[in-house]
Amino acid sequence: KAGVTQTPRYLIKTRGQQVTLSCSPISGHRSVSWYQQTPGQGLQFLFEYFSETQRNKGNFPGRFSGRQFSNSRSEMNVSTLELGDSALYLCASSDRTGPYEQYFGPGTRLTVT
Amino acid sequence: QQQVKQSPQSLIVQKGGISIINCAYENTAFDYFPWYQQFPGKGPALLIAIRPDVSEKKEGRFTISFNKSAKQFSLHIMDSQPGDSATYFCAATGNQFYFGTGTSLTVIP
Repeated sequence: KAGVTQTPRYLIKTRGQQVTLSCSPISGHRSVSWYQQTPGQGLQFLFEYFSETQRNKGNFPGRFSGRQFSNSRSEMNVSTLELGDSALYLCASSDRTGPYEQYFGPGTRLTVT
Repeated sequence: QQQVKQSPQSLIVQKGGISIINCAYENTAFDYFPWYQQFPGKGPALLIAIRPDVSEKKEGRFTISFNKSAKQFSLHIMDSQPGDSATYFCAATGNQFYFGTGTSLTVIP
């Protein structure tokens, strides 16, 4: 099976802009979670989608949003970008929601200037 | 508030030695404890995981030891190899994943 894919892999944006990141889960997986990884804060949970419904949400401002489509592909949007949003954004998929194995994609490296 | 505390932050081990990384948690509702390995420029890869009804799980050179009463778990890498040099993250999960801050492991040839 193909792994989790994320596009684009690298992105440079300017403060105030918005950005949309895409994630395609492993075939058959219906749960997609998003994480932000930074050197200072480590891996932080953003949100989880399962069967097009947001199941859990981390402690991030409303500028961070997401959605999941009927084919389980997911998008994450960040509006009004700030310098502190520069990070590696990781997507992980699982075949079920809850405490089960998650498989990560390679991430999208976002740089905000 | 850090839900999962991981130590040490960095670790240097000789080839063939044992690498030990420790994690501690507070929430007794956590019921799944995975370890991930991450190489530079890559996403974390699931290495091994354990549930709290088991005290130890071994897969090849990797072993998780789990102490439910102490709310601690650790990763042991036996016969450490230079190819094991990476960042390791522990995690604990109930309804969402909480990750430790990571341990940068360097295995010296």
